[in-house]
Amino acid sequence: DTEVTQTPKHLVMGMTNKKSLKCEQHMGHRAMYWYKQKAKKPPELMFVYSYEKLSINESVPSRFSPECPNSSLLNLHLHALQPEDSALYLCASSQEPAYTEAFFGQGTRLTVV
Amino acid sequence: AQSVTQLGSHVSVSEGALVLLRCNYSSSVPPYLFWYVQYPNQGLQLLLKYTTGATLVKGINGFEAEFKKSETSFHLTKPSAHMSDAAEYFCAVSEEAAGNKLTFGGGTRVLVKP
Repeated sequence: DTEVTQTPKHLVMGMTNKKSLKCEQHMGHRAMYWYKQKAKKPPELMFVYSYEKLSINESVPSRFSPECPNSSLLNLHLHALQPEDSALYLCASSQEPAYTEAFFGQGTRLTVV
Repeated sequence: AQSVTQLGSHVSVSEGALVLLRCNYSSSVPPYLFWYVQYPNQGLQLLLKYTTGATLVKGINGFEAEFKKSETSFHLTKPSAHMSDAAEYFCAVSEEAAGNKLTFGGGTRVLVKP
């Protein structure tokens, strides 16, 4: 199994809603990542979890809250988002934090209304 | 600090023609280099990577890239384009000094004409 599975594929939420994005991998990878990708732009790193601990936060606003319940799961909790937060959110994993190969999920297309 | 520059945000090729996507990087130490492909509304898929060893790297779908340290380049090529190659391509670099974070280039959208 070389897949990173993200749910949901699409999400529409209001600015006062609370929602969560989920990511799962069963490759035994010990590093997991959240990226944000705006249209026609490259992915931008948001968070890195290394061995289930948050190792990098790229100065992301607190309305985005990551969580790593175990080595296979990664969540991104969303609260009080703004319309400009609408984007494709990508999860990725790699065997170790040192990049040798990162596997990406299909992404969650988020629209904030 | 590491950075990646992809020359040309759009490339148009005819089916069967050579595909050449240019990537130049800046890094204080020998980096890891990657090419990813992204189809519409999809995640990123790794095409190939350079870590150490042979400088000519072969990847999936007939793509290959050559690491040229003297030119700080990692250009991607495919001898004969197929309609299914139409996608967005990202060059990326990571280095230990940057916490092994992936830094992406701006991307190149490939259009394949029949």
